[in-house]
Amino acid sequence: GESVGLHLPTLSVQEGDNSIINCAYSNSASDYFIWYKQESGKGPQFIIDIRSNMDKRQGQRVTVLLNKTVKHLSLQIAATQPGDSAVYFCAESSQSGATNKLIFGTGTLLAVQP
Amino acid sequence: SAVISQKPSRDICQRGTSLTIQCQVDSQVTMMFWYRQQPGQSLTLIATANQGSEATYESGFVIDKFPISRPNLTFSTLTVSNMSPEDSSIYLCSVPASGDTQYFGPGTRLTVL
Repeated sequence: GESVGLHLPTLSVQEGDNSIINCAYSNSASDYFIWYKQESGKGPQFIIDIRSNMDKRQGQRVTVLLNKTVKHLSLQIAATQPGDSAVYFCAESSQSGATNKLIFGTGTLLAVQP
Repeated sequence: SAVISQKPSRDICQRGTSLTIQCQVDSQVTMMFWYRQQPGQSLTLIATANQGSEATYESGFVIDKFPISRPNLTFSTLTVSNMSPEDSSIYLCSVPASGDTQYFGPGTRLTVL
């Protein structure tokens, strides 16, 4: 399949370890944030989201942390598995009128070593 | 969640030609979005397509280059016109989902020679 991670920062972890993927966002007015996972040859897949009135949200094996003071978002994946290997994008919602546009970060390639 | 399909899944085209990409959703949606993902890059919004009105284009994208149709609430097309190698990208459509998130189609991988 086609790789979208050729020019992206790479995080390499061992299977079973925890992964932390970081993202800096730009718009202090953004109030909604999403993490997407994109596997090779596929479209982005929703993982977890968080609103700006929260600083932490947990899902199944994933946790998103939001630090509005420094405009930083992180995705923590517990017990990383080979199936977690993909490019991860953060996105912020820039509300403009009736359209909630998504602005995507640069992405991080997660490589899980067996 | 919405099921989104795109056609073609990939294509190789000659410069100067045009390609029309189709996006089909299994439920009615007011808005559909078109994104471009250049090789090794992130996603950039091209335009927002509302049924019954002109598409709204983002800075750097123009209707003459990327005409969009939205004939009904489940379908949209994006045309990449007068293509050059710089147009080689993955083109993705998306639709709003619960909350403020979006669901994405599988993408169309375009290579322009």
